Parts: sequence; structure tokens; C-alpha cells
Amino acid sequence: DAGVIQSPRHEVTEMGQEVTLRCKPISGHNSLFWYRQTMMRGLELLIYFNNNVPIDDSGMPEDRFSAKMPNASFSTLKIQPSEPRDSAVYFCASSERTGGLYEQYFGPGTRLTVT
Amino acid sequence: GQQVMQIPQYQHVQEGEDFTTYCNSSTTLSNIQWYKQRPGGHPVFLIQLVKSGEVKKQKRLTFQFGEAKKNSSLHITATQTTDVGTYFCAGMDSSYKLIFGSGTRLLVRP
Repeated sequence: DAGVIQSPRHEVTEMGQEVTLRCKPISGHNSLFWYRQTMMRGLELLIYFNNNVPIDDSGMPEDRFSAKMPNASFSTLKIQPSEPRDSAVYFCASSERTGGLYEQYFGPGTRLTVT
Repeated sequence: GQQVMQIPQYQHVQEGEDFTTYCNSSTTLSNIQWYKQRPGGHPVFLIQLVKSGEVKKQKRLTFQFGEAKKNSSLHITATQTTDVGTYFCAGMDSSYKLIFGSGTRLLVRP
């Protein structure tokens, strides 16, 4: 199994530009999670999906952030417009089912730098 | 909201010394998971504890879940340089989300 796949691995963009991060979960997993990791705030859950439906987006910082999951094998996290404070590592993770009883498999992450 | 606190934030040990990180929740947890993140890497699942007072071992790693299910610990015996990384605990909240602790960064001097 290829594991969770994320692209791009690194993204450098200027403030005000749109950024799209992509994720392919492990085949057969029904839940997908987007996390943001920074030194100051640690690992934060932004949003998670179950069976392609957004369940909880309370962690999305503001309206500039949006996430979609059009099918079971693809999800995007979009930031528009981007700001320097969005610089972080963004992880996508998937699990067999929703709920904290199932281990989460993390992708390699996308390191985003907004200048 | 629910918070999961971890201490210490950093631990620097000599290779061969033991290491322990502690995790405390403001509320009772249904279960707790532990993850390890190597420098520059991504979190990787280590283990899950579900029962009150549960103790599990993985080679030199010992995981405990408190009797009240509000705290947990990870103990590494005789650390090695391969143990370097950040260890996170994560507890499930009332809405079935995993809440990650702040992590303990372990550095090992060879």
C-alpha cells in the first residue's frame, strides 16, 4: 500500500495568492483528516470527513480556508488568499472509520511558506 | 473544550538513560493513542490504550493508562539514538475527535 499521498511536498507562495493542497487517502479508509502543525500551536485538527462528508470543520481558522472531498480517493485544502501566518506543515491523515478508536495514518505533509 | 497536556516539553538524555513523558486530560478519556514523529517526518501510530489501568509494552517502550482514564504515560527504558523524536498522546473527545497533546521532544546524546 502506498500510504497517504500528499502534494505538493513543499509550497512557497506570496501573500495573497491561492494555495491548494492535495491528499489521496489510503484505499478503503472512510475518514480523512486535515491537520496543521506549527511550533507555536502544535498539531491542530482543521477538519475531518467521514464517507466524503465534512463532519467537523470547527478547527478551520477562518473563511480563507476551505476543504473538499469530491470522492473517496481525493481531498483538497484551499487557502485563499494566503497570509504569512498560514506558514506551517499541513498533514492529511486517514483512518478506516471515524472516531478516535481507529489509528490514523498520516501523509508526509506539505510544508507551506507564505512570504 | 477538552485539553490534553503533555510534560515535559523537552527531554535531553544520555543514551542508555530512561525517559518518561506524561499526558493529562481535563476530562475522562474513552481511549488514548500514542504517536511518534521523527524530525522532519510525520506522526506514526505507536499504540492505543482503552481499559482503565491498562499497561502495554513494545520492546523497550511501556505505555500506561491511568485508573481514572484521565492520564497516561510512555516510558522508554535504556534510550537509543533511534528513539529521537517527538512523542504525542492523543485522546478522543466527546465528539469522537482525537485531541493531540502538545508533544514531548526527546533528544538523545550518543
